[in-house]
Amino acid sequence: ETGVTQTPRHLVMGMTNKKSLKCEQHLGHNAMYWYKQSAKKPLELMFVYNFKEQTENNSVPSRFSPECPNSSHLFLHLHTLQPEDSALYLCASSQDPFFSGATYEQYFGPGTRLTVT
Amino acid sequence: KQEVTQIPAALSVPEGENLVLNCSFTDSAIYNLQWFRQDPGKGLTSLLLIQSSQREQTSGRLNASLDKSSGRSTLYIAASQPGDSATYLCAGEETSGSRLTFGEGTQLTVNP
Repeated sequence: ETGVTQTPRHLVMGMTNKKSLKCEQHLGHNAMYWYKQSAKKPLELMFVYNFKEQTENNSVPSRFSPECPNSSHLFLHLHTLQPEDSALYLCASSQDPFFSGATYEQYFGPGTRLTVT
Repeated sequence: KQEVTQIPAALSVPEGENLVLNCSFTDSAIYNLQWFRQDPGKGLTSLLLIQSSQREQTSGRLNASLDKSSGRSTLYIAASQPGDSATYLCAGEETSGSRLTFGEGTQLTVNP
């Protein structure tokens, strides 16, 4: 596997279900991100992890719970979601974004298309 | 709060045409600017990254420029092909290591 992978690619869940999204990066990066892409809206940053530590939570509801066990893996645990949470969830990774003077690119996975019924 | 606007929202051109996609941002204190391509239902592919000390970047038929003073970036696509059909997103980074702020994208269709 190369780049950033995400599983599953598609997920349909009821509002009372609990599910998890998985992201894995094979690029040797230190930072990982979760984004939400809803129809007709710009990508919204949800969470940032740098060296396994959460460095940003963009006011995301607690029904979304991220987990980063190591620099290569990132999970998004979902529970009691709402229909408006249906969206494409994208994972990305990059080199350490906080190293002074460093420039970096974010590399994205293919996303998980989530439908909440 | 930084806001990024992309114009036009959608563009349809015949194959072979040269075209320009526009991106503007409200806060000229932009550090880096990145252009992405997104195919339907897929993730984002990074096209070009213009670093803070640069004014433009080129890759093949693509050229991106950044004018911080006017708060604008453009993506120029030469000799467009049907395979260029996708949504193009620009994203700005305000300081090194800060979040990316995305525009809504321009949906490009290149007709054979």
